[in-house]
Amino acid sequence: SQQGEEDPQALSIQEGENATMNCSYKTSINNLQWYRQNSGRGLVHLILIRSNEREKHSGRLRVTLDTSKKSSSLLITASRAADTASYFCASTGSARQLTFGSGTQLTVLP
Amino acid sequence: ETGVTQTPRHLVMGMTNKKSLKCEQHLGHNAMYWYKQSAKKPLELMFVYSLEERVENNSVPSRFSPECPNSSHLFLHLHTLQPEDSALYLCASSQVRGFYEQYFGPGTRLTVT
Repeated sequence: SQQGEEDPQALSIQEGENATMNCSYKTSINNLQWYRQNSGRGLVHLILIRSNEREKHSGRLRVTLDTSKKSSSLLITASRAADTASYFCASTGSARQLTFGSGTQLTVLP
Repeated sequence: ETGVTQTPRHLVMGMTNKKSLKCEQHLGHNAMYWYKQSAKKPLELMFVYSLEERVENNSVPSRFSPECPNSSHLFLHLHTLQPEDSALYLCASSQVRGFYEQYFGPGTRLTVT
């Protein structure tokens, strides 16, 4: 069954602005991962946050995890046109497999 | 370049054809996966192989038949597909099965006519 639900489904911002995407999941997790997909291409792993972590940074990316609310957020700071892509959260639980959400389509306007 | 390659990149096949998708990973990983990505739907996990043993088969119709001859190669054999099987088929690998990040290939865009 689908775990992750991203919000919003689509986001359009100007270059230089920050982009925030949210993800909710339904069951207990071991970790939560964020992936990026350029149109019609494969997914690229961005960042993994474990269930005992609350925040993680990687370059311009910041991920938070709130296990009490079963939610996570991905913040991209100082966005660039090249950040235009779909972003997916994926949770890993006892089934030892990734369960993906429907994704957020981010458009960064130059 | 993620170290996972897929061929062909595009495939058009009739409902009575038989074709195969190929995936190869150059990362020394022990787990490989097939996913289906349809428009407006989340990625669906189809099959998981760990150390060349199939460990997951998520209620996939028998017209899809996976094969993993060794830890570097994964195939998806297709026969008598339906138009609703048109989708992007993605292969991925990870160090071991379970909680690690996955590395995806570029996908095969399949169109069933």
